[in-house]
Parts: sequence; structure tokens; C-alpha cells
Amino acid sequence: GAGVSQSPSNKVTEKGKDVELRCDPISGHTALYWYRQSLGQGLEFLIYFQGNSAPDKSGLPSDRFSAERTGGSVSTLTIQRTQQEDSAVYLCASSSSGPSQYNEQFFGPGTRLTVL
Amino acid sequence: AQKVTQAQTEISVVEKEDVTLDCVYETRDTTYYLFWYKQPPSGELVFLIRRNSFDEQNEISGRYSWNFQKSTSSFNFTITASQVVDSAVYFCALSEAHNYGQNFVFGPGTRLSVLP
Repeated sequence: GAGVSQSPSNKVTEKGKDVELRCDPISGHTALYWYRQSLGQGLEFLIYFQGNSAPDKSGLPSDRFSAERTGGSVSTLTIQRTQQEDSAVYLCASSSSGPSQYNEQFFGPGTRLTVL
Repeated sequence: AQKVTQAQTEISVVEKEDVTLDCVYETRDTTYYLFWYKQPPSGELVFLIRRNSFDEQNEISGRYSWNFQKSTSSFNFTITASQVVDSAVYFCALSEAHNYGQNFVFGPGTRLSVLP
């Protein structure tokens, strides 16, 4: 499809294990965002990529969280040594931002992470 | 610093009633963008509207309308003749121009339940 895709849709893991979440943005979109949404809560910004520039990591909650974006397209969010408080839905969004206009974000369906 | 407040945590209305969702924002920028997103039970966020700070015209799209008032830093959303399919969590968001393309700040969301 033409939208943002994320995989897996659901992930159950044991405390202490590492997990990788994947995001495929809309083709041609240069900006990519990761958010976390805990149960019944709003969206918490995690990290932002714009093209090949250094990412804005200001929202990452701890050094157990990292993300990369290869070739300016697909992104992987990695959580090391998962904790139960990491359980949430992780949302990815992309947008086609340029120097003269701002475009809305298109969101993926999310990955529901459960840490037992 | 930017902040978005949605004071109504949950609202319940009966079908065909009108309902207004409040959004109040804080920013020191003179140029900024405001957004509304809908998150239905399926979970995927859906973009509804973007408004820039220089455009205070109210917007109407079908049963949806938005009232942007800079004097009160509000960007309220009204659904006219609500329908059961409008049941969702609605998020208001803000992005400052100087953080162009960078993180959005989302409000905590308002859960709207439209009862038949």
C-alpha cells in the first residue's frame, strides 16, 4: 500500500530481552518520527529523522532506546533490556517536509509491545 | 516551551447532538501550526486539519468545523449532528515554526463516545 507500514503489529517479549521495531515510511517522505503511546495516554515524542541529518533524539526516555534510519527510508527502533514500563504502542509517522511549507504527518498502524 | 491542553478527558453524547472538543495551546513563537487528529478504535491516527498561525479563518468540512482564536490561544473542534462513527480519541497538536519539521507536541486527547 501507499501508507506508512510498521512491523510487527504485536510483540510480546520477556523483561530484559531486546526488541526491534520497524517502520517503512511513505515513499519520498524525508521526515520520519517515532512516538510512544501508553495505554489511555497521549503521544510521547521519541525521535525525529530529517533526510540524512543527525536525528533529534531529545525524546528518547533512556539510553536503552536507539533508532536508526538506513538510506533515508526504513527506520528501526531498538529497545535494549526491555522493562515492563516499556509496554506501549509505538507509532511511526512520516511527512514530506520542505523549506517552504509544512506537511501533516501520516501515521502507521503502530506496534503494540508487551513486556512480561 | 510549547504545550497543548485538552481539558476534556472524556465526553459522551447521544447521536445527532453537537459536540465541541476544546484545545488550548501555549507557544512563544509567532509562527506555528495547529493540528487535529482522530484515533478511532482501530488505533491508526487520521489527520483531520492543519492550521497555520496567520490564518484565523474558521474552517468547515462537512459536519466538522474548527474555531481558531489567537486571542485565547484556542483551536476548538466542533462536530455537528454527531454519529456513532465519530466515536474516537481526538488529539490536538502544535508545532512551532522554529522547530520546523521537528517534534510535534500532542495534547493528551479527548475520548468521544457517541451513543446511539
